[in-house]
Amino acid sequence: EPEVTQTPSHQVTQMGQEVILRCVPISNHLYFYWYRQILGQKVEFLVSFYNNEISEKSEIFDDQFSVERPDGSNFTLKIRSTKLEDSAMYFCASSEALAKQYFGPGTRLTVL
Amino acid sequence: AQSVTQPDIHITVSEGASLELRCNYSYGATPYLFWYVQSPGQGLQLLLKYFSGDTLVQGIKGFEAEFKRSQSSFNLRKPSVHWSDAAEYFCAVGNNNDMRFGAGTRLTVKP
Repeated sequence: EPEVTQTPSHQVTQMGQEVILRCVPISNHLYFYWYRQILGQKVEFLVSFYNNEISEKSEIFDDQFSVERPDGSNFTLKIRSTKLEDSAMYFCASSEALAKQYFGPGTRLTVL
Repeated sequence: AQSVTQPDIHITVSEGASLELRCNYSYGATPYLFWYVQSPGQGLQLLLKYFSGDTLVQGIKGFEAEFKRSQSSFNLRKPSVHWSDAAEYFCAVGNNNDMRFGAGTRLTVKP
């Protein structure tokens, strides 16, 4: 079965640094998403992306966050200046439509 | 605004016993509803989904869920729990643009 991949699996960074989390969605999918899960808490929607633009974003997705599909395969989440509270597991997902969102294994971000 | 409530933070059942995990939602239109399972340190796996039609949906691993519009509920059930079912379970409601998750219910299975 096709799968979404994410790199790195674990990213450690200093507060104030920029990080880029990378995702390779399933190749024929059109919708792309980022979610985060703070340790021990629920999964939170960040942003959805379709047709090369943001479809919707949550209140969490402020100006510190940005997403990009720089080429035909990658989908990235950038955090410009990380804060301690950005420490979380970040999940990428993709789908053809809402029929099924395929989630990646996640990137654990630790901000020191 | 759409929201999902999972009233039970933690449930413990004996292996072989039946299971029901509760989910209530608030949504302005016809909801698309989902149940996901997450094993420790792992990503999210879709168990089942409801879009329309038959209100009782079957999923993987022997799970099923029933959509009850009058109660705004989408409870997950399994007739006989296996030790490998121990995990975190998330109910979600969404559309093509976003999905909102409940806080999750942690399932512990006793031998």
